[in-house]
Amino acid sequence: EVQLVESGGGLVKPGGSLRLSCTASGFTFRSYDMSWIRQAPGKGLEWVSSISSSRSYILYADLAKGRFTISRDNAKNSLDLQMNSLRAEDTAVYYCARLRSFGIIDFWGQGALVTVSS
Amino acid sequence: NFMLIQPHSVSESPGKTVIISCTRSSGSIASNFVQWYQQRPGSAPITVIYENDQRPSGVPDRFSGSIDTSSNSASLTVSRLKTEDEAEYYCQSYDGSSPVVFGGGTKLTVL
Repeated sequence: EVQLVESGGGLVKPGGSLRLSCTASGFTFRSYDMSWIRQAPGKGLEWVSSISSSRSYILYADLAKGRFTISRDNAKNSLDLQMNSLRAEDTAVYYCARLRSFGIIDFWGQGALVTVSS
Repeated sequence: NFMLIQPHSVSESPGKTVIISCTRSSGSIASNFVQWYQQRPGSAPITVIYENDQRPSGVPDRFSGSIDTSSNSASLTVSRLKTEDEAEYYCQSYDGSSPVVFGGGTKLTVL
């Protein structure tokens, strides 16, 4: 069974940093591209970043450029999102998602809540 | 960059059929696959349609997807509606410069 489990969410002050992790199981992690998607309270889904299986491409939405860094460790079946210079508008549930192929999400994690507030 | 435009809400009675549309603002709807995600309140999204019309295992055959090049839109059809289908539905596509583009979401009410 495919499972994606996010961790590392929590409360952080504006300007602070947080690192989210996603642990994958039930499939060959190193064969799949992965993404982070977020959802602010009461709002729609918003793409944050994607990374290919071999790290040959790394892409960021404008909201993440210069502040967020996506990375993966295929030996540990893990995907990370390092978030710096956090703002109140970054408050959201962050989902880890597996890509069937470029631009096509087939599995989602349960999400990790990030709250940016003083 | 393009946008995907969905109606804010639709409603229908149990047992009936509902169609949710998703219109691409620029570029051809046929250029890149369209996916549909279901999100029940308080839960993570799940994929109900991928590659325009493919249904993942475990998704009931009451869910189907299609595209229409004449209207440059995609559609999600849910037939034989059940109360458990009440959820937010998001369409999604991509292109070379925009890896993941979501529609704004459509709230389906089954009343």
